[in-house]
Amino acid sequence: DVKVTQSSRYLVKRTGEKVFLECVQDMDHENMFWYRQDPGLGLRLIYFSYDVKMKEKGDIPEGYSVSREKKERFSLILESASTNQTSMYLCASSFSRTGIGSPLHFGNGTRLTVT
Amino acid sequence: LAKTTQPISMDSYEGQEVNITCSHNNIATNDYITWYQQFPSQGPRFIIQGYKTKVTNEVASLFIPADRKSSTLSLPRVSLSDTAVYYCLVGVRNTGFQKLVFGTGTRLLVSP
Repeated sequence: DVKVTQSSRYLVKRTGEKVFLECVQDMDHENMFWYRQDPGLGLRLIYFSYDVKMKEKGDIPEGYSVSREKKERFSLILESASTNQTSMYLCASSFSRTGIGSPLHFGNGTRLTVT
Repeated sequence: LAKTTQPISMDSYEGQEVNITCSHNNIATNDYITWYQQFPSQGPRFIIQGYKTKVTNEVASLFIPADRKSSTLSLPRVSLSDTAVYYCLVGVRNTGFQKLVFGTGTRLLVSP
């Protein structure tokens, strides 16, 4: 079974802090994604990556950046955390370069609270 | 952008068949339709995927009409453990790659 592991289940940070959310997958998947999930808004795509050192913006990239130095690891960075970034963050991975026909495998999420 | 529309919520009873419809009027020729299930405090889990007509696996069926502008997830004989949020996902082409966009999800509540 594919395993997508997010480093923290719960995280509490202060406004203005730099925050790193880490995600590791163990199936050699090319594609990795970061979503955030908020009540009433469903899942929204922040950033995605189809290869090492490659990244593309999703629907809500503002206030976030990402890093993919190794194929198995995809990091989400909040440069200066704000209270409106309090949310559940979900990492996912999939195989194949295009992602067509390839299901996403999700981690269990990191619930981030910014105070 | 192939936006999807689903009912916000549905109620059912144990043993009934549940059909959840997703509308995706702007689906592109090469897009697939995928459904996910999500329980509280967990990430979404893949259920089923299809391109056209009908697909069936051990947990669900997916019906896609010829125009592909909608799809219906069918869950036979639901149980309490099927209470979850169900997401319809349609692939969106973006400079040769897929930019995957989720719908808002349908909250299914199964009662005894």
